[in-house]
Amino acid sequence: TQLLEQSPQFLSIQEGENLTVYCNSSSVFSSLQWYRQEPGEGPVLLVTVVTGGEVKKLKRLTFQFGDARKDSSLHITAAQTGDTGLYLCAGAPTDTGRRALTFGSGTRLQVQP
Amino acid sequence: DARVTQTPRHKVTEMGQEVTMRCQPILGHNTVFWYRQTMMQGLELLAYFRNRAPLDDSGMPKDRFSAEMPDATLATLKIQPSEPRDSAVYFCASGPGTSANEQFFGPGTRLTVL
Repeated sequence: TQLLEQSPQFLSIQEGENLTVYCNSSSVFSSLQWYRQEPGEGPVLLVTVVTGGEVKKLKRLTFQFGDARKDSSLHITAAQTGDTGLYLCAGAPTDTGRRALTFGSGTRLQVQP
Repeated sequence: DARVTQTPRHKVTEMGQEVTMRCQPILGHNTVFWYRQTMMQGLELLAYFRNRAPLDDSGMPKDRFSAEMPDATLATLKIQPSEPRDSAVYFCASGPGTSANEQFFGPGTRLTVL
């Protein structure tokens, strides 16, 4: 069982469409991070959300941290082909004492021109 | 433009051979991580160092894998002997040691064990 469940696993959309991907857990996190990974590269940090209910915007990307700090979402407005990649959420749950990050299995996004 | 570097980028070897992967973390970062990524398992943590001391290597098969930081500018991951199931992309990441544990990844080493 994954500590961080991401959905959907795969998403193929047309350029210009909006989409939302989700990261859910039964554990509480002090913070969650979102990364994007392109083929042949390492993951790149997009954002860190820290406060329950927090909303952060990065151009066309909107990140939200759930009020209970157990889940997060990433919304992309007017997707572009450059948004194609693997989106990963990551965090360290507060109840395990584990300080290293655990990564979700990812959402693989394909934006068609 | 500070970034994590990894060598080699690709490695093809035969079963039973020793493999050593190297990582140069970003200057000033005090945390270093080794991950393995496969299609089936996703991104798995192998080892985690803070100030060159190993903090968590519970994800690493101890019988064949070893991770060290001989100095602050070099981290190594060694597999001896290698097996076909070790084929994966191995990533090194470093971080400034903030409470959020933000990480900056290298480009990875793609290992194929025949």
